[in-house]
Amino acid sequence: SQKIEQNSEALNIQEGKTATLTCNYTNYSPAYLQWYRQDPGRGPVFLLLIRENEKEKRKERLKVTFDTTLKQSLFHITASQPADSATYLCALHTGGFKTIFGAGTRLFVKA
Amino acid sequence: GAVVSQHPSWVICKSGTSVKIECRSLDFQATTMFWYRQFPKQSLMLMATSNEGSKATYEQGVEKDKFLINHASLTLSTLTVTSAHPEDSSFYICSARDGTSGASTDTQYFGPGTRLTVL
Repeated sequence: SQKIEQNSEALNIQEGKTATLTCNYTNYSPAYLQWYRQDPGRGPVFLLLIRENEKEKRKERLKVTFDTTLKQSLFHITASQPADSATYLCALHTGGFKTIFGAGTRLFVKA
Repeated sequence: GAVVSQHPSWVICKSGTSVKIECRSLDFQATTMFWYRQFPKQSLMLMATSNEGSKATYEQGVEKDKFLINHASLTLSTLTVTSAHPEDSSFYICSARDGTSGASTDTQYFGPGTRLTVL
C-alpha cells in the first residue's frame, strides 16, 4: 500500500544546531514533494517544493533534498531558533492536483 | 503572497444542527479549493476537491450529503456540515490553488482552519 512516513517522535534540539527531519515514502512516484510548517491550531504554511529531477533546494536557512532512489526527502533547518518550533509536514503530489500529507514531525528548539 | 481566510475560526454547536464554514482566497482566483479535516496529532485528510462552477469530488468514505460543498465563485468555497454529531468534531482546513498563475505544481495555500466542536 502507499505510505508516507515521518518520524512520529518529537525532535528536540538545542538552539543554533541543525535540525534534520525525514520523510520516507513507498509505492509512490511523485513528480514533486513539498514541505509545510504547521503551528498548533493553525493551517499549514508552504515552505519549499522540490521536483523529482532536483537533488537539493535551498531557501534561507532551509534545505531540502530529494532522493527518488531511496524514496526519501530530508528537511534541514540550519542555525535553528526557538521560533522554528512547530510541526513540519511532508507532502507528495500524487497526480492531478491531489496531495497526500504525512502526519508530520514535531520540532522543539530549546534556547 | 497568496492569502486564504476561513470563517469562523471556531464554532460550537448542538448535535443535529448544521454549520457552514467559509473559505476565501483574498488576493488571487482559486480555480480549485480543497477541504481537509485533521484530528489531533494526525495528518490532514483530504475530504473533497471543489472546482469553481462544478460539483465537488469527494474522497472515498466522505458522505457528500453530510458535507455539502459549494464553490460558487473563484474566491469563495463553503463547507456545510449537516446534522452535525459529536464525531464530526474536528479541525477543518481549506486550501486553494492559484489557477491563474499557470503554475504546473500544486502549491496549496491554506486557510487558518476552523475548530468545530459538536456538543
